Amino acid sequence: DVKVTQSSRYLVKRTGEKVFLECVQDMDHENMFWYRQDPGLGLRLIYFSYDVKMKEKGDIPEGYSVSREKKERFSLILESASTNQTSMYLCASSRPQTLSETQYFGPGTRLLVL
Amino acid sequence: SQQGEEDPQALSIQEGENATMNCSYKTSINNLQWYRQNSGRGLVHLILIRSNEREKHSGRLRVTLDTSKKSSSLLITASRAADTASYFCVTSGTYKYIFGTGTRLKVLA
Repeated sequence: DVKVTQSSRYLVKRTGEKVFLECVQDMDHENMFWYRQDPGLGLRLIYFSYDVKMKEKGDIPEGYSVSREKKERFSLILESASTNQTSMYLCASSRPQTLSETQYFGPGTRLLVL
Repeated sequence: SQQGEEDPQALSIQEGENATMNCSYKTSINNLQWYRQNSGRGLVHLILIRSNEREKHSGRLRVTLDTSKKSSSLLITASRAADTASYFCVTSGTYKYIFGTGTRLKVLA
């Protein structure tokens, strides 16, 4: 059974803190993605990675960075958390689109920044 | 940016009824997918239809695609309470997936 796991389901942080969100997939997928989901706005792509040590900005990368040191792990970093980063964060993985277009999602991390 | 828009935004039906939700998108596509999300959790892939297909079935799901109108519809037949969820249409470009804002479906027992 394919699986994408995220390190926390719920997280509460203070403004200015550095926040790490971890995502691990066990499917040997090349592509990994980080989205945030906000009411009325749907899912918005923050960053994605199509290979180890490769990263590409999505639609809303400001205030975020990512790290992909190993194929199975993709980390999202909030360098200095702000209240407008309170959101649901979803990680996903997929094979290259030439092979399969299906994305597999983790359960999400609900982050509250106070 | 290219984004799908689902219609209606919210839908409430009785168990056993059919539910239809629609999606419009802006640019040419190779395929269109539908995903389901239960109460603030991760998304699950339901079905994919390619641009050269007009209709596709999977169990109680029926998807249609009209590339001339840049629209798709998802029909859930004989709905169940467990179908209560948000449904998203997704189109894809190079590496990227574009999500609509979703339709919230509530199936009343």
